[in-house]
Amino acid sequence: QQKVQQSPESLIVPEGAMTSLNCTFSDSASQYFAWYRQHSGKAPKALMSIFSNGEKEEGRFTIHLNKASLHFSLHIRDSQPSDSALYLCAVSTGYQNFYFGKGTSLTVIP
Amino acid sequence: NAGVIQTPRHKVTGKGQEATLWCEPISGHSAVFWYRQTIVQGLEFLTYFRNQAPIDDSGMPKERFSAQMPNQSHSTLKIQSTQPQDSAVYLCASSLPTGNTLYFGAGTRLSVL
Repeated sequence: QQKVQQSPESLIVPEGAMTSLNCTFSDSASQYFAWYRQHSGKAPKALMSIFSNGEKEEGRFTIHLNKASLHFSLHIRDSQPSDSALYLCAVSTGYQNFYFGKGTSLTVIP
Repeated sequence: NAGVIQTPRHKVTGKGQEATLWCEPISGHSAVFWYRQTIVQGLEFLTYFRNQAPIDDSGMPKERFSAQMPNQSHSTLKIQSTQPQDSAVYLCASSLPTGNTLYFGAGTRLSVL
């Protein structure tokens, strides 16, 4: 079964800082990689996703994928207090079920 | 579009009692997923359906958990003889036939006393 691990478990950064979150996976046949964000007491919500090696940028958020290293990451530029949430990475081998990491709890201090 | 609807939002059961959780996916979404979330284990996959057919239940504790999708508008997760370790937030999600994005409901918080 797919193993998905995230690091760090928690992170505290000042407002305006660059934040980097990491995710590793075990199945080299994985095809779809995504980040979800879950604010306290709320449902997880899709943030962004990527299929192929490389980088994808959407506003302040950038996702990097390196399939050979079984690793992808999320970078948040100019972090804001509203970015404070639990960040979950998700991996799928296609139109199959999605496996999630345990999450990284991010706190952005004003 | 009301999103994925889960009921009840909170459920308290005594040890050994049965709990049934309901999920109404977004109209037009053909895949329905059930997950369980705890602080210790994170978001654990339980089972999923595609076009109402069970596809993968590898995450389901086989003895007491069961899930059904009798029609395209709702799915149920039933836990028999609930135990304290079943206490968690149970999340339902749905996705489009050709999509990879999961849309989650607000969850049902199950507390087993």
